[in-house]
Amino acid sequence: KAGVTQTPRYLIKTRGQQVTLSCSPISGHRSVSWYQQTPGQGLQFLFEYFSETQRNKGNFPGRFSGRQFSNSRSEMNVSTLELGDSALYLCASSPAKGLAGVGDTQYFGPGTRLTVL
Amino acid sequence: QKEVEQDPGPLSVPEGAIVSLNCTYSNSAFQYFMWYRQYSRKGPELLMYTYSSGNKEDGRFTAQVDKSSKYISLFIRDSQPSDSATYLCAMRGGFKTIFGAGTRLFVKA
Repeated sequence: KAGVTQTPRYLIKTRGQQVTLSCSPISGHRSVSWYQQTPGQGLQFLFEYFSETQRNKGNFPGRFSGRQFSNSRSEMNVSTLELGDSALYLCASSPAKGLAGVGDTQYFGPGTRLTVL
Repeated sequence: QKEVEQDPGPLSVPEGAIVSLNCTYSNSAFQYFMWYRQYSRKGPELLMYTYSSGNKEDGRFTAQVDKSSKYISLFIRDSQPSDSATYLCAMRGGFKTIFGAGTRLFVKA
């Protein structure tokens, strides 16, 4: 089975711009989660989508948004970029077979490294 | 207080050593425990997962969970230079997964 894929792998933007990142989950996986990883803060949860619905959200400003399509592929968007948004953005997919998410194992993609200048 | 505490290291050991990596947590709702390995500039890779208290072994890796103490460990036997990476613990309760900060491990040849 192919793993989680993320595009693009690297991105350079300037402050004030917006960016869209894409994630294709493992075939058959229904849940997609997004994380931001920085050296200072570690892995921070952004949001999780299941069946095109956001079912969990982290503590990030509204500039960060996402969506999931009917084929489980997901995109996240960051508007009005700030220097502090420079990070590795990771997507993880899971089968989402268990009740209330118990037992779901997340598999990560390679990430998109975003640099904001 | 963070829900999951993990010593960031770095931890440096000689090849062949037994490595012990640990995390503590405060939320009793966590039911599912995972360890990920992350090489530089790569995404985290799932190493092991377990539901219950006790030990789970997979090759050179053993995951240990003590729910009464809210403490989990990952042991690496006969460590190799290729084990040099950041190790992240993760815990899930309901729809929520929380990651530790990660411990950087260096195994010297």
